[in-house]
Amino acid sequence: NAGVTQTPKFQVLKTGQSMTLQCAQDMNHEYMSWYRQDPGMGLRLIHYSVGAGITDQGEVPNGYNVSRSTTEDFPLRLLSAAPSQTSVYFCASSPGLGANEKLFFGSGTQLSVL
Amino acid sequence: RKEVEQDPGPFNVPEGATVAFNCTYSNSASQSFFWYRQDCRKEPKLLMSVYSSGNEDGRFTAQLNRASQYISLLIRDSKLSDSATYLCVPLDRGSTLGRLYFGRGTQLTVWP
Repeated sequence: NAGVTQTPKFQVLKTGQSMTLQCAQDMNHEYMSWYRQDPGMGLRLIHYSVGAGITDQGEVPNGYNVSRSTTEDFPLRLLSAAPSQTSVYFCASSPGLGANEKLFFGSGTQLSVL
Repeated sequence: RKEVEQDPGPFNVPEGATVAFNCTYSNSASQSFFWYRQDCRKEPKLLMSVYSSGNEDGRFTAQLNRASQYISLLIRDSKLSDSATYLCVPLDRGSTLGRLYFGRGTQLTVWP
């Protein structure tokens, strides 16, 4: 199993550009989520999904869209990038929402918005 | 983030030392806790899960104090490889499932 795969690893955007961060998992996990990590701020939840077709907002959802058309994929879309979205983004998945809530993380995407 | 607070450190300790840091949480409904370890520029990885009063795994011990609403992580006989940031995550079963909030992390540096 590849686990959680994020692409790209690095990306530079200009203000106003759009892009999609890809996240895929091959563990048949129901739960997937996106976090951003900024220096001194820890990991902050952007959006999450408890299954295909179901998504919800985390604590910092503004400027980001998500969809979950399949169990495997959970892309994160930036419609109009802003410098404040410069960050490291992590995708994570989990088998479910019961006692086994261990998160499996992708290796991250470092995004710079100029 | 006030729901989860951690001393950011850094904690600088020599090899072989014992070090402990705390994570305080505001939601009394939190029933389970996780400690994740994050190396510089890497993804977090689960170190330990705590479902009752505590857990022990080798040199690592987590202890939960529900009355004071904090959980501690104790590392004995520190190794150079323990240098990392340690993140605390409480699991609140009373709120919307799926919202896992991380503390900001405690940075540990072990020197030779």
